[in-house]
Amino acid sequence: GNSVTQMEGPVTLSEEAFLTINCTYTATGYPSLFWYVQYPGEGLQLLLKATKADDKGSNKGFEATYRKETTSFHLEKGSVQVSDSAVYFCALSDLGYSGAGSYQLTFGKGTKLSVIP
Amino acid sequence: GAVVSQHPSRVICKSGTSVKIECRSLDFQATTMFWYRQFPKQSLMLMATSNEGSKATYEQGVEKDKFLINHASLTLSTLTVTSAHPEDSSFYICSANAGAEPGETQYFGPGTRLLVL
Repeated sequence: GNSVTQMEGPVTLSEEAFLTINCTYTATGYPSLFWYVQYPGEGLQLLLKATKADDKGSNKGFEATYRKETTSFHLEKGSVQVSDSAVYFCALSDLGYSGAGSYQLTFGKGTKLSVIP
Repeated sequence: GAVVSQHPSRVICKSGTSVKIECRSLDFQATTMFWYRQFPKQSLMLMATSNEGSKATYEQGVEKDKFLINHASLTLSTLTVTSAHPEDSSFYICSANAGAEPGETQYFGPGTRLLVL
């Protein structure tokens, strides 16, 4: 079955530090890959996505490249801000195997990021 | 952007009672809605997938008689936790997407926190 593994947190960085959150996946097909972010007290929001190999998703200074050869989709940001403090989820989308016939998300466990001034 | 709402945001109930949670897509028609459960410091676990006008498809291990899902229209899905018990206490999150294509973005509601006493 499909699975997503991301680095465990929490991760604590100083403002303007470089961020990397590792994410690797296992899938039988050709999944699309996503990063979702959950700010304190809010629901999940799509941060970025990539739908095929070598695609780079980017948004708000974050970026991640779909690497099929290493089955990875690491999230990076060159200079984090306090407002980036949140939980980040890596996910893949593939056809569900429960017979629903729809594209379902499989999530990693989430990585909590805290950025201190 | 696409908005998904959930109601209520928080509910406390006595053991043995039933609780209904609503999920609405506010500005788009959702062909598919998903219900997740999130335990503290853990990832989202997909419970079921529902398509408008048809029965929900439940993931393995999820009791369909316990968690009743009704997808009555293209903008509304409900999850009813029947005869709730303390072990059903959790954070329930719904999501919706407008299409059924690879890489389709799921839009998440803010979640409903259920506490069963």
